[in-house]
Amino acid sequence: DIQMTQSPASLSASLGETVSIECLASEDIYSYLAWYQQKPGKSPQLLIYAANRLQDGVPSRFSGSGSGTQYSLKISGMQPEDEGDYFCLQGSKFPLTFGSGTKLEIK
Amino acid sequence: EVKLQQSGDELVRPGASVKISCKASGYTFTNYAMYWVKQSPGQGLEWIGTIIPLIDTTSYNQKFKGKATLTADKSSNTAYMELSRLTSEDSAVYYCARRELFDYWGQGVMVTVSS
Repeated sequence: DIQMTQSPASLSASLGETVSIECLASEDIYSYLAWYQQKPGKSPQLLIYAANRLQDGVPSRFSGSGSGTQYSLKISGMQPEDEGDYFCLQGSKFPLTFGSGTKLEIK
Repeated sequence: EVKLQQSGDELVRPGASVKISCKASGYTFTNYAMYWVKQSPGQGLEWIGTIIPLIDTTSYNQKFKGKATLTADKSSNTAYMELSRLTSEDSAVYYCARRELFDYWGQGVMVTVSS
């Protein structure tokens, strides 16, 4: 199985700050990587797919990058509504596997 | 508007089975695969399996083979997941999600296994 190592586990950011979350795959996943945001008691929401493609309706302050085994999600200018849990998902190979998640809070 | 409406939360006894539904609306049900995910505090998010409603083909995470059975009813645009021989380890929130992008998710079903 492909292991997805996500870091950091938690992160505190000030409003307006730029934050980054990383996912490292145990093997090449050929950009089959998506990022999701989940708020307490809610379902996850797709932010980024194919490593760097912004899902319709997602604010442009979210961006994704990476290739091979290393991927990152960047939020350029933290907003209050960005608080929540973030996780990555690799879709390169079954079984699909998720990162362990990052809890993002406002400082 | 695409919507995945899941059935309600469940309290079930150890050893029993439970069947969760996921009714799709706002798109052509047979055009996309449906994915099922388990979310638990201890294990995070885990992919359970996938069903392609058009051809009734399933793929399972080896970990959930024998535990989960996925079916789909094209006449009602509904996907189902049955979980069998439940134990406390199966207590979790279960989601359905559309296509390989997981672009739409159901609201989740909390399954609590307790005597």
